[in-house]
Amino acid sequence: EVLLLQSGGGLVRRGGSLRLSCAASRFRFSIYAMSWVRQAPGKGLEWVASISDTGSNTYYADSVKGRFSISRDNSQNTVDLEMNSLRVEDTAVYYCAKVVWFSVTWDAYEIWGQGTTVAVSS
Amino acid sequence: EIVLTQSPGTLSLSPGERATLSCRASQSIGSSYLAWYQQRPGQAPRLLIYGTTSRATGIPDRFTGSGSGTEFTLTISRLEPEDFAVYYCQQYGYSSCTFGPGTKVDIK
Repeated sequence: EVLLLQSGGGLVRRGGSLRLSCAASRFRFSIYAMSWVRQAPGKGLEWVASISDTGSNTYYADSVKGRFSISRDNSQNTVDLEMNSLRVEDTAVYYCAKVVWFSVTWDAYEIWGQGTTVAVSS
Repeated sequence: EIVLTQSPGTLSLSPGERATLSCRASQSIGSSYLAWYQQRPGQAPRLLIYGTTSRATGIPDRFTGSGSGTEFTLTISRLEPEDFAVYYCQQYGYSSCTFGPGTKVDIK
């Protein structure tokens, strides 16, 4: 079974930093784009960032551009989200997600991680 | 940015009934870049439909997606107890990704 196992997250003060990690298993990680999607408490889903299969292209939502950085290590089958200058409004459950088709960055999300909570206090 | 609107906000139905959920885009996204997800409380979203009409692996055939341009529909032919959840549409065309606000299907 294809699996995405997330780690990181927690409670941080406004202006602080956190790093989320997502470890993939049981699929050929290096040929799939990966993304992060978040969900604020009681709210809907919000796309945060995406990275192409090779890692050469990255994309960000306007709400996090300049503060968050997505990266991947295809030798370790991991994708990370570095979050800096955190704001109270970044409080959410963060999910990593795998696209359906290989070598396609913009796609539906077939597999989701279990989610990890980020709470930013004021 | 392409904005997605979902209606109704809440749909109250009984098991065995048919559910029709709507997703409208602020501009045309063609016929291939629309997905639907189910989310139960405390769980990650689950992909149901991608490419407007294709069912994801393991999704029962009571779930059907249709539409094109700016109007899309998810139909659940006969609601099972496990189908009561929140449903989101997502567009992924034009090198972008946005989600709709969701439709909650609850038990009448």
